[in-house]
Amino acid sequence: QKEVEQNSGPLSVPEGAIASLNCTYSDRGSQSFFWYRQYSGKSPELIMFIYSNGDKEDGRFTAQLNKASQYVSLLIRDSQPSDSATYLCAGIKAAGNKLTFGGGTRVLVKP
Amino acid sequence: DAGVIQSPRHEVTEMGQEVTLRCKPISGHNSLFWYRQTMMRGLELLIYFNNNVPIDDSGMPEDRFSAKMPNASFSTLKIQPSEPRDSAVYFCASSLNSGYNEQFFGPGTRLTVL
Repeated sequence: QKEVEQNSGPLSVPEGAIASLNCTYSDRGSQSFFWYRQYSGKSPELIMFIYSNGDKEDGRFTAQLNKASQYVSLLIRDSQPSDSATYLCAGIKAAGNKLTFGGGTRVLVKP
Repeated sequence: DAGVIQSPRHEVTEMGQEVTLRCKPISGHNSLFWYRQTMMRGLELLIYFNNNVPIDDSGMPEDRFSAKMPNASFSTLKIQPSEPRDSAVYFCASSLNSGYNEQFFGPGTRLTVL
């Protein structure tokens, strides 16, 4: 079992809809979580991070963390074609700064 | 700031040759990470440095891989001898050793070993 698991997709959503991405992790020592977006042929870039249980909103993005159930999610509201990319979930333990990445979910937003 | 700089951007070499990838982290960042990305295995951490000291090299696949960070502004990842299965995109990332440890990625080096 990989430490961080994501559905590889593709997740196809119509423009304007909500895209919901999920990530589960196996190491309860993981404290903070990051969502990176990676366009094809480009490097990953950080969208959001979350370290407390509950929701965190930033513009059209909302990250949700549930440590009891060991899952993290990312919601993209009002999805745009420019949101089409691979979204990588990553976890980090409080004691160090080594990120463990999931395999990524490819999202396709169709006009 | 120019961001993380990597060179070369593309490298094509023949099996058995030595390959050296280079990285310049963002000025002031004290953590540096080398990743490899392939379709099959995703994004894998190879090694990371804090304050120029290697902290965790458990991701380095085998002795053919080595990494150095002689100073705060430069790091190299060397593969000797290279093999076709080393073909991948190699990313360098840096971060300030802060509470949430956001990592900034370079543009990557696409390595093809024939």
